[in-house]
Amino acid sequence: VQLVESGGGLVQSGGSLRLSCAASGFAVSDYWIHWVRQVPGKGLMWVSRINQDATYVAYADSVKGRFTISRDNANNMVYLQMDNLRADDTAVYHCTRDFDSGTNCWGQGTLVTVSS
Amino acid sequence: QSALTQPASVSGSLGQSITISCTGTSSDVGSCKYVSWFQQYPGEVPRVIIYDVSIRPSGVSNRFSGSKSGNTASLTISGLQAEDEADYFCSSCSPATTNDYVFGGGTKVTVL
Repeated sequence: VQLVESGGGLVQSGGSLRLSCAASGFAVSDYWIHWVRQVPGKGLMWVSRINQDATYVAYADSVKGRFTISRDNANNMVYLQMDNLRADDTAVYHCTRDFDSGTNCWGQGTLVTVSS
Repeated sequence: QSALTQPASVSGSLGQSITISCTGTSSDVGSCKYVSWFQQYPGEVPRVIIYDVSIRPSGVSNRFSGSKSGNTASLTISGLQAEDEADYFCSSCSPATTNDYVFGGGTKVTVL
């Protein structure tokens, strides 16, 4: 059971990035998938979540209107499109399955750095 | 500023018990049964040690226990061991707000 994120990098303020999350060892279609971010050495922040068939999506207030979560169950993938990025979006972004439960699984994360 | 309030640091001697508090409001901890605790070592991914207020995932030591009273959740580590030195975070669903989940700012546990 594994989640692997990709797509992070250095981007200028106002720019965009698309994060990808590839699942293996389980069917992503069976689970809620969340994105949680962490500034290195600091705390955690819940960013977004999507239900099994993408009929429910939700976002933290600070990213609402700028980030879009989506999924491709056929290819076992989840995505986070991040637009109009700001310096305070700089963090490691983790893709997680049921992040707060006994069946949780976290990816190692991908670093997003937004330069101002 | 995190939505849930945790002490920045807690310390205890080997074998002692310590308790970490996680204080929210009636909009999150006070009205949510999905309160979780995470343990994180430097450079590692957080792992769940308590979920649904007081349930331990398989493989987590029974020295860890969780509880909730009103708007405050608590994590107790009994029989403190050297390997318990880590950062601990709480999270809660937040059904009465526009954020689905909120986290605490984290507590550094030091074993003396």
